[in-house]
Amino acid sequence: QVQLQESGPGLVKPSETLSLTCTVSGGSISSYYWSWIRQPPGKGLEWIGYIYYSGSTNYNPSLKSRVTISVDTSKNQFSLKLSSVTAADTAVYYCARIRTIVGATSRWFDPWGQGTLVTVSS
Amino acid sequence: SYVLTQPPSVSVAPGQTARITCGGNNIGSKSVHWYQQKPGQAPVLVVYDDSDRPSGIPERFSGSNSGNTATLTISRVEAGDEADYYCQVWDSSSDQGVFGTGTKVTVL
Repeated sequence: QVQLQESGPGLVKPSETLSLTCTVSGGSISSYYWSWIRQPPGKGLEWIGYIYYSGSTNYNPSLKSRVTISVDTSKNQFSLKLSSVTAADTAVYYCARIRTIVGATSRWFDPWGQGTLVTVSS
Repeated sequence: SYVLTQPPSVSVAPGQTARITCGGNNIGSKSVHWYQQKPGQAPVLVVYDDSDRPSGIPERFSGSNSGNTATLTISRVEAGDEADYYCQVWDSSSDQGVFGTGTKVTVL
């Protein structure tokens, strides 16, 4: 079964760029959409954006100016970059596969990675 | 953007039924998905497309969706069901995911 694992620095300085990678194992990254989701400590879930294996993307409008999601099919990985971070970007970051039914607009997230805590602090 | 509203908390005695609501404008026209999140763990899908269950999810978990409210029902609640629950839809007009505010279920 497909498993996802986030990796990257757990501490980022204010104004710098947060970079995370999600490695997909047990299946191919091709033919699926993939997403990043975050959760500030003690708060709810926030969708960040998605990427299709072909490279097409869409982002949460509230983060769009600072977010870039990319994919490397040769490594079965996709990545997140969030620029100009502040303390408000401190959160657990999850990667997840997007599931859908052909011909339908409904999409959901399954499975999820275990998540990685990124703290923004000097 | 599309907004989903959930009650902050629901309390239920073991063996009873918990109902968690998710409110949104004409949410009945969308497909709703539900996630369970236990402390320190990643969310797990428990219901998708309003009322379908992934393999491995007990039949005690069921969903419905009509009008402006979707509902996740947990029957015969167990101590292990204590968790945060989030609803989610896909807003096709903006092509983005939207999560509800989350509900903490406490088993008394």
